[in-house]
Order: sequence, then structure tokens, then C-alpha cells
Amino acid sequence: QQQVKQSPQSLIVQKGGIPIINCAYENTAFDYFPWYQQFPGKGPALLIAIRPDVSEKKEGRFTISFNKSAKQFSLHIMDSQPGDSATYFCAATTAGSARQLTFGSGTQLTVLP
Amino acid sequence: EAQVTQNPRYLITVTGKKLTVTCSQNMNHEYMSWYRQDPGLGLRQIYYSMNVEVTDKGDVPEGYKVSRKEKRNFPLILESPSPNQTSLYFCASSILTRGAGTDTQYFGPGTRLTVL
Repeated sequence: QQQVKQSPQSLIVQKGGIPIINCAYENTAFDYFPWYQQFPGKGPALLIAIRPDVSEKKEGRFTISFNKSAKQFSLHIMDSQPGDSATYFCAATTAGSARQLTFGSGTQLTVLP
Repeated sequence: EAQVTQNPRYLITVTGKKLTVTCSQNMNHEYMSWYRQDPGLGLRQIYYSMNVEVTDKGDVPEGYKVSRKEKRNFPLILESPSPNQTSLYFCASSILTRGAGTDTQYFGPGTRLTVL
């Protein structure tokens, strides 16, 4: 049973577009939601993360929107660039847990020049 | 350079032949973990370790073993590999700040395993 559902599976946008990746979770005990970015041949790397006490967090061109009541969160990439082409994973965990991250299934983003 | 290293990066083996994938980190992290990545399933945790001699099962532990005899090393052992263990494997590490919930996991470059 997948506890974090991610969509879409793949996404193609033009340079400058705003891709949006969505995630929904079931476990109400989750209270930390990171996004990881993975380039081909590399391991995932932390991109941005949010706690549920805020509805939005922005770091550079990357923004997480969080809707606690709907148990959903999403990643927006402003002014997307070809260098943003990668696989993006949302994840969730519980503070004080043994750092067990539950990952979504991943979204392969392609930004066309 | 702070990093997590894995060896080998690529491995082709046959069913039943025992293998070990090594993982080492130079950041003095307490926490280490193994994941497998499969298309459409994301990353799933196999085993994790909160410190030396402390290990526990993740979501998909069947067919795998781990050990944590030293803080920096966390090898993944497949005693009798089967084709359904063909996958991309990642080791990760982090500090372990109890209650903070915001510890970043640092991933290795991955090991692509094919079991024939």
C-alpha cells in the first residue's frame, strides 16, 4: 500500500513554463515533507522541504504548497530551465521516527529548450 | 569531500550467488539506510541502522541482510539473489537528531544490480 501517491508520472514543459508535481498522503502522523531531485546516474538529493505548520515554502525558483486538510502537497518550479530536467520524488516522514522516509513513485520532468 | 560511496556501481550476477554491496560514508553520520528504486514504485527502504550494531527492517527486507560493525560502513548482503532483486540500490546516511525530524539524507551514487 503506497502511503504517498505522486502524479504525474512524467511531465514535459517548455523552457519558462511552470511544472507542477502533486503528492497526496494518507498517514496523518507525517509531519515533514521533503522533495528530492535525482539526475540520471546520480543519487537523489534534497531539494526543498516543508513542515505542516506553514502553507507555502519558497527557495529560489522552487515552491512547495501544502494543504494539511486535504493531505496534499505540491512542487512548483518557476521559470523552468532545461537543467531542471530530472526525476523528482516527494517524501514524507514523522519527526522523531527512525528517519524512515516514505517516497512517492517519482515524476520524470523534461524541460524543452 | 563529504560523500557516500557505494561499490560496485554495476553488477551482473546469477541466481543464488551470494554478493555484497558496500556502502561507506565519511560524515560521521549515525543513521544509514538502504533503498531500492524500481520504475513506478519510487524508492523503498530495505533496512536501516541508527548506530553501530543497531539495525532494523524497512518496508522490503525479504532476501536481504545488513550489518553495522563500524559507524562508517553499512554493507548490503544478498545471500541468495533472485531475479526479482534486479534493481537500482541506494545507500543513504544522515545525522540523527531525535525529535527534529528534519535531518537530510545524503544518498550514494547507486548500484545497478542485475540477477540473471
